[in-house]
Amino acid sequence: EPEVTQTPSHQVTQMGQEVILRCVPISNHLYFYWYRQILGQKVEFLVSFYNNEISEKSEIFDDQFSVERPDGSNFTLKIRSTKLEDSAMYFCASSFREGDNQPQHFGDGTRLSIL
Amino acid sequence: DQQVKQNSPSLSVQEGRISILNCDYTNSMFDYFLWYKKYPAEGPTFLISISSIKDKNEDGRFTVFLNKSAKHLSLHIVPSQPGDSAVYFCAASTKGGGNKLTFGTGTQLKVEL
Repeated sequence: EPEVTQTPSHQVTQMGQEVILRCVPISNHLYFYWYRQILGQKVEFLVSFYNNEISEKSEIFDDQFSVERPDGSNFTLKIRSTKLEDSAMYFCASSFREGDNQPQHFGDGTRLSIL
Repeated sequence: DQQVKQNSPSLSVQEGRISILNCDYTNSMFDYFLWYKKYPAEGPTFLISISSIKDKNEDGRFTVFLNKSAKHLSLHIVPSQPGDSAVYFCAASTKGGGNKLTFGTGTQLKVEL
């Protein structure tokens, strides 16, 4: 069964450094998402992306965050200058299309640890 | 943001019995509801969903019930198996705007032998 893959599984970065989290969505999916889960808290929506542009973003997704689909397969989340509070599990998800009740399928996440 | 609530942080059930996981929501604009299962060190795995035009959806051992007037949904697993032990998340979305999912806090289900 096709799946969403994320790399790396664990990223350790010094505060203030840039980090790029990578995702390969399911190949025929058109909608892409990033979520995060801080330890002990809910899974929170960050951003959705369709047709090479952001569809919606949350308050968390400030100017330090950006997303990109640099080629036909990868979808990346960049944090420009990391803060301690960015430490979390980051999940990528994809869906075939919006509406018509299409479920989002998630990767196994990248654990980001900011020191 | 308490739009989706799962008030039971944990549930313990004997193998073979029914597991009932509950979820409440406050946003009347939600029209699509999903249940995800999550094992440690893995991402959420989609289980089953229901549209707001229905009140029940069944897939094998899993059934989701939606009560729109009460803004309540439940997931029934019968019979429960030890492999069902995981954290179960309820999630909801509205049409359009990228269909972002709003998650509950999760319920840890333990199925005992």
